[in-house]
Amino acid sequence: EAGVAQSPRYKIIEKRQSVAFWCNPISGHATLYWYQQILGQGPKLLIQFQNNGVVDDSQLPKDRFSAERLKGVDSTLKIQPAKLEDSAVYLCASSLEDRVYEQYFGPGTRLTVT
Amino acid sequence: AQKVTQAQTEISVVEKEDVTLDCVYETRDTTYYLFWYKQPPSGELVFLIRRNSFDEQNEISGRYSWNFQKSTSSFNFTITASQVVDSAVYFCALSEAGSGAGSYQLTFGKGTKLSVIP
Repeated sequence: EAGVAQSPRYKIIEKRQSVAFWCNPISGHATLYWYQQILGQGPKLLIQFQNNGVVDDSQLPKDRFSAERLKGVDSTLKIQPAKLEDSAVYLCASSLEDRVYEQYFGPGTRLTVT
Repeated sequence: AQKVTQAQTEISVVEKEDVTLDCVYETRDTTYYLFWYKQPPSGELVFLIRRNSFDEQNEISGRYSWNFQKSTSSFNFTITASQVVDSAVYFCALSEAGSGAGSYQLTFGKGTKLSVIP
């Protein structure tokens, strides 16, 4: 069974530029999550989708971050404009709708903002 | 508010030694879930175990064992006879079942980096 796919794996941009990350969850997983993991810390949830609806985006900095999951499968996370403190690994995870506590994580996208 | 504390930032052991990773949590909910994840250098978080707050039985899976004690709000993880492949960052996490509206927000600790030296 294929795991959670993410791209790109690495991205370097300058501050004030825009960037987008892509996530393809495990087939059949209705729930999708985006986490931000700053170096030396544990992941922090940014947003949770159930199919194409947002369940929780309380920790998403909405002035610069946006996410969508239009068809209930793939998702994109965008940062516009990026700040230095956005340098982190962005992890995508997915789970079955009735097993939301069992999240499977992708390899992440490492973002460096210079 | 929920909180997870992993006081050990880094641990180094020699191969075949046993090692215990500590995890202390805070929550006001009576129903919650505790997790351990492994993050190898490749970056993916690998699910190891989930326990719910009503099940305090210790669990053993091969060389891994977990000790859940509600009285001390701890959920410690022991690796017996450590191997080089165990080298990774290990995260303890907490989810409150009552996060609301289907939200299953995981609150992670800062992680413990384990290095197993051959």
